[in-house]
This record gives sequence, C-alpha cells and structure tokens, in this order.
Amino acid sequence: AQTVTQSQPEMSVQEAETVTLSCTYDTSESDYYLFWYKQPPSRQMILVIRQEAYKQQNATENRFSVNFQKAAKSFSLKISDSQLGDAAMYFCAYRSPYNNNDMRFGAGTRLTVKP
Amino acid sequence: EAGVVQSPRYKIIEKKQPVAFWCNPISGHNTLYWYLQNLGQGPELLIRYENEEAVDDSQLPKDRFSAERLKGVDSTLKIQPAELGDSAVYLCASSLVGQGSTDTQYFGPGTRLTVL
Repeated sequence: AQTVTQSQPEMSVQEAETVTLSCTYDTSESDYYLFWYKQPPSRQMILVIRQEAYKQQNATENRFSVNFQKAAKSFSLKISDSQLGDAAMYFCAYRSPYNNNDMRFGAGTRLTVKP
Repeated sequence: EAGVVQSPRYKIIEKKQPVAFWCNPISGHNTLYWYLQNLGQGPELLIRYENEEAVDDSQLPKDRFSAERLKGVDSTLKIQPAELGDSAVYLCASSLVGQGSTDTQYFGPGTRLTVL
C-alpha cells in the first residue's frame, strides 16, 4: 500500500518570508495524483494545490507552488510571502487512480506564522 | 456553490450510547467519503460511496459502525454503541468521479465526537 510521510511535525515562518514543507511517498504506480490540503483550526480541509504525476511541470497557485520530483518520490510545498492566515495544519495526500481512488494522507505539518 | 455540509459540528455522548452524523455533499457529486481523523493525524478512509453503492468499506468497523446513502445524495454514519476510542473528528468529503472531472475531493467541516 502507498504511504505518505511528512517528516516535519511543526514548522515556523516569519510573516512575508518563504517556507517549504516536505512530503515523500512510496508507490510502485506510475500514474497518480498528489495534493496538499490546509486544515485551519475550524477543521475544514481546504485544497491548496494538486499535481498529476504525468505532468512534468510543477503546479502553482498564486503564492503556493510545489517541487515535484517523481524519481525521488518527493512533493514539497513552497509558500511564498507567508501571511498570518496561512497558519494551519498542512496535509500531503496521494491518490491512486487504480485502487478505488484510494487517498492516503500524511500525518501533517503544523505551520506557525510569526508576525 | 455550497460546500459539503455536515452536522452536528460537535457531539458529546456517554459510552455505549448511539450517535449519528449527517453529510450533504456538493450538488452533483456522485462520490461521497467518510473519513476518521484522530488528533494529530491525517484522515483515514472509513467508507466510500459511488452514488448509492458502498464501493469501499474495508476500513469500516462493521460490528459497531454503519452507513447509508439513500438516493445517492445525503449520507448518515452511525456508531452503536460508541466506545471511548471512537472520540475523533469524522470528516465527510465528496467528489465528481468520471465525466472528465478532476476527481478532487472537497471536505466538510467535520463532526468532533467526544465519548465520555
């Protein structure tokens, strides 16, 4: 079964600075999808960014971008110009298109933004 | 467009009591998911529905948990009887699978269950 590992339980960044959250995964599949979700204290999981494995170009969404390294099975999230509202738990997730669209989440990284 | 709606947001019960959670997915989404999220962990799938059919319930503890999705829209997740270890957040998500969609899952705010 696929596993997702987030090795940073907590991260901290100064407002307006840049921070990178790490994620690695284990799979034998060649086609899959990767996601970063944000979960603020309200508990609502919000989709931040999505990457298809067959696309070589890294996905970007405004201040959020990813560094997708397929050979290394790495999928890091970069947040530029960090804002106070970015403070939340961030979950990396892997979804297989073959196994009932099964989605596996990492344990999460708690991001703190300092003013 | 309204998002995934869940109720209640919070529920406190005593052990051995029954409890039920309700989810209304995004309009038009054919697939609905129930996840369990323990404190400090990522969500884990309990059951997945495609329309009315439960296509993946391998992680659902069937001795005490049950779920239904009547008419392929709203869904209810029930626990009877609840145990102390069931205290967690129960998340519902929905997606549109097929039809050229991105299959992205959208989540509701969850129900935080506390079993005393």
